[in-house]
Order: sequence, then structure tokens, then C-alpha cells
Amino acid sequence: EVQLVESGGGVVQPGGSLRLSCAASGFTFSNYWMHWVRQAPGEGLVWVSRISSDGTNTMYADSVKGRFTMSRDNAKNTLYLQMNSLRVEDTAVYYCARYGSAFDYWGLGTLITVSS
Amino acid sequence: DIQMTQSPFTLSASVGDRVTITCRASQTVGDWLAWYQQRPGKVPKLLIYKTSNLQIGVPARFSGSGYGTEFTLTISSLQPDDFATYYCQQYNEYYTFGQGTKLEIK
Repeated sequence: EVQLVESGGGVVQPGGSLRLSCAASGFTFSNYWMHWVRQAPGEGLVWVSRISSDGTNTMYADSVKGRFTMSRDNAKNTLYLQMNSLRVEDTAVYYCARYGSAFDYWGLGTLITVSS
Repeated sequence: DIQMTQSPFTLSASVGDRVTITCRASQTVGDWLAWYQQRPGKVPKLLIYKTSNLQIGVPARFSGSGYGTEFTLTISSLQPDDFATYYCQQYNEYYTFGQGTKLEIK
């Protein structure tokens, strides 16, 4: 069974940093491109970033470019999102998602609250 | 950037109704269009990929159509579990979601 489990969420002050993790199981992680998607409270889905299966190619939404860095460790079946210079508007549930037939599997998400 | 616009924003319907949600792209996305369902407090679920392909396990009452800039999601006979928010997403150039359509019980 495919499982994606995010962790690392919490409350952080504006300007602070957090690193999210997404542990994958039930599939060959190294074969799949992966994504982060976020959802602010009561709002819609917003794509954040993408990484290629081998980790060499990343892409980011303009809103996070230069502040967030996505990476992966295929030996550990784990995806990461390093979030720096956090802003109040980054407050959201962050989901990792597998790109198979579109975004076919999603984690349960982890909540990031940026507040002073 | 490609913008995705869904209509309507909210839709009130009854069990058994046939409903259609429309998604328009600001420029062509070919057939690189997916639909997701999100029930309150739950994780988004892929329903349809590449415009019209039903994801494994999704009931056949869901269908999708379109090409280029205009797409539709149709639910042929609403069931109680179908009352949720639906999002379209283009994945032709970067990845953009529509703002969502909330399907409510009338």
C-alpha cells in the first residue's frame, strides 16, 4: 500500500526556518517525481515545488523561489522541503504528493503556522 | 503563468442529480488536465487524469471531457459521498489548480 507521511510541521516566527520530511513506502520511491502542495486554512490547493526522480531537477512556484529548497534521499525513501525566510502567508497544510497519473497519492499533510 | 478558472464556485444539488463543473484554462493545456475531490478535513483524491481517464477505484459515475482550454467534470447521479470540493489542475506547463467548486446538498 502506498503511504506518504509528512512530518516537521509546527509554529514558527516570521523569518524563521523549518524542514519538512515526507516518508514514502509501498512503492519504488526512486522511480517517481514528487511534489509539495499547500493549502492555507479555508483556501484552495496551491502547487509549491517539484523534484525529479533522481533529485537533479527541481522547480518552484514563484511565491517560494529562493526561500524553499526541495530535496530527496532515495536511499531513505524520504522527501524534504527546507523552508527559510518564512512569511505569515506561508501558513498552510503542506502535502507531499506522488506524480504517477497526475498527483495520484497524497500524504495526510503537516500544518505550518507562521506567526509572531 | 496558466490560470485555471472553475465555475460555478458553489453548486447546490440533490442526491441523484446529474451535475457538471467547468474548468477553463487561460491558454491551452492540451489534455493535461486532472480533477481532484476533497472532502472536508480530508486529503485531496485524484478522480480523473489526462482529461478523461478514471483513476483506479473511482466510480464510473464520474467522467471528464474537453481539450485545450475548456474542460468538464460530470457526475451522472450524485451520491451522498460526492458532496465535497472539486479542483481541476493543469499539468502541461508547471502545475496550477483551479480555485475549487464546492458541491453542496440542496
